[in-house]
Amino acid sequence: GGIITQTPKFLIGQEGQKLTLKCQQNFNHDTMYWYRQDSGKGLRLIYYSITENDLQKGDLSEGYDASREKKSSFSLTVTSAQKNEMAVFLCASRPGQGASVFFGKGTRLTVV
Amino acid sequence: QQKVQQSPESLIVPEGAMTSLNCTFSDSASQYFAWYRQHSGKAPKALMSIFSNGEKEEGRFTIHLNKASLHFSLHIRDSQPSDSALYLCAVTGTGGYKVVFGSGTRLLVSP
Repeated sequence: GGIITQTPKFLIGQEGQKLTLKCQQNFNHDTMYWYRQDSGKGLRLIYYSITENDLQKGDLSEGYDASREKKSSFSLTVTSAQKNEMAVFLCASRPGQGASVFFGKGTRLTVV
Repeated sequence: QQKVQQSPESLIVPEGAMTSLNCTFSDSASQYFAWYRQHSGKAPKALMSIFSNGEKEEGRFTIHLNKASLHFSLHIRDSQPSDSALYLCAVTGTGGYKVVFGSGTRLLVSP
């Protein structure tokens, strides 16, 4: 089996600050995802990457940048943190089309 | 843009009852349909999935898909308190890579 590691687990930033969340997977999966989950709600897709160096915008990409320089890692940058985006950010990966998505444990973002 | 919606938002059922959860989607060319379960404070985990119209059963869980009506559902037979969780449906679009989730149904099974 493999694992998806997200760092940090908790991130506190100031309003307007640029913040970076990191994700590493050792499944050797091609496709990776970033989702945002507001408290008790569903998942909203921010960015996904089909393979190394590929980036695709999700439905919630405004205010975020992403980077996939290696197959095993996928990072997300909040370009200017806002108080209304306090949430848990979930990284996920998938071996290919038609397969289930595996999730990391999340990064909880607090903006003060 | 794919729209995925779930109903109901929340549900309370007694232990031993049948639970039915619903998911509708907007893109009729969607390829892959799945249910995930998320216990409080944990990451979502895949429960089961289906590709083509019809029904699939795994233990107490059954998934139904009707692409023509843009609807799929999850049925839990003999619901247990351990089934209490947030249930998320997920749809993979035409390209085969973009996975869109619904807003979730919170299930509470009362002992």
